[in-house]
Amino acid sequence: SAVISQKPSRDICQRGTSLTIQCQVDSQVTMMFWYRQQPGQSLTLIATANQGSEATYESGFVIDKFPISRPNLTFSTLTVSNMSPEDSSIYLCSGAEQGYEQYFGPGTRLTVT
Amino acid sequence: AQSVSQHNHHVILSEAASLELGCNYSYGGTVNLFWYVQYPGQHLQLLLKYFSGDPLVKGIKGFEAEFIKSKFSFNLRKPSVQWSDTAEYFCAVMSDNNAGNMLTFGGGTRLMVKP
Repeated sequence: SAVISQKPSRDICQRGTSLTIQCQVDSQVTMMFWYRQQPGQSLTLIATANQGSEATYESGFVIDKFPISRPNLTFSTLTVSNMSPEDSSIYLCSGAEQGYEQYFGPGTRLTVT
Repeated sequence: AQSVSQHNHHVILSEAASLELGCNYSYGGTVNLFWYVQYPGQHLQLLLKYFSGDPLVKGIKGFEAEFIKSKFSFNLRKPSVQWSDTAEYFCAVMSDNNAGNMLTFGGGTRLMVKP
């Protein structure tokens, strides 16, 4: 299994600013994903982070708002841009090998004021 | 598009009671099925998984789940719950209609076990 860490664990940000969340995996993984978990709700997939190419976004999520980088097989970042209070949520990353289960990071709790 | 339904949103049990959490999915092809658990203040952990073979799968901490293909179900069970099982439980499905390992999650079931 992979161990996944995220930074920061939580942050409080002002409206209009941006926050970059880092996700580090302790081993190389083929696939990495970013999810949003709003209070009291389930996980919604934001995008698949592709190594060396642009991320693949799910319906309702766009690159300008959530730019993603994946420079190698163990690291990815998600930026939440031009934040509004509606972006307050927990953001999680996960990693997996093709066809196998995903392992999740501890999440980043974001509050936008 | 596939979807996953967890009909029980909140469940309250006393210790030693038996547990069954429902999970149904809507996809007619081959699926891989998962239950994840999120203990208070902790991150999502894999409880158990089904890929193929015996439809009754056993996971950690005494949990098991049964895949019933004809019912599109993958219910989670535990014969005797403990206070430490208080957590939120998520059912998830990975289907063969995407090449990207994408998971579709159910809405989650919040379990509270009273001591």
